Amino acid sequence: DAGVIQSPRHEVTEMGQEVTLRCKPISGHNSLFWYRQTMMRGLELLIYFNNNVPIDDSGMPEDRFSAKMPNASFSTLKIQPSEPRDSAVYFCASSLSGVSQPQHFGDGTRLSIL
Amino acid sequence: GESVGLHLPTLSVQEGDNSIINCAYSNSASDYFIWYKQESGKGPQFIIDIRSNMDKRQGQRVTVLLNKTVKHLSLQIAATQPGDSAVYFCAEKIQGAQKLVFGQGTRLTINP
Repeated sequence: DAGVIQSPRHEVTEMGQEVTLRCKPISGHNSLFWYRQTMMRGLELLIYFNNNVPIDDSGMPEDRFSAKMPNASFSTLKIQPSEPRDSAVYFCASSLSGVSQPQHFGDGTRLSIL
Repeated sequence: GESVGLHLPTLSVQEGDNSIINCAYSNSASDYFIWYKQESGKGPQFIIDIRSNMDKRQGQRVTVLLNKTVKHLSLQIAATQPGDSAVYFCAEKIQGAQKLVFGQGTRLTINP
């Protein structure tokens, strides 16, 4: 079974550049989540989509971050302009329906902003 | 071996022993709890979940116990194997909220 697929696995770029992270959720799942993981802050929810509609984006750090879900099988998280403090591992997860169902995570994108 | 809370980040157990990883959650209105295992370089992997109307749930070699009186959650792993080495996270969902709140994690190491 195909799990959640994220790309790229690693991204190294200079500050000020635009970064786009991609996610393909598990087929049939209608909820999608973007998380950020750092040593200092642990695993934090950035944004949650249900049926392609953003439900909770209170975790999005600031206007430099944006996320879209144009259809049920694809989502992007964009950072523009990127800053060194954005360096982290970004995970995408999906669930059958909502937050009270197990979320299945991709293997993440390790982002380094120089 | 037993972890007595997330302020103890590492738990070491002998191969073949049972492991107990503990989690003190924050909100009495939390209605859904879940455990994840994360290996190095990978995303969190779902282990087992439990809703607040239950106090115990079993899976394959794992048991989750929920004590709502003291707001405590535990994950028991039977006959711990080298492949169980990982960081384990608990997470809670507060009733009415639209997010999971993750704990800091406990690193489980297995001694041969």
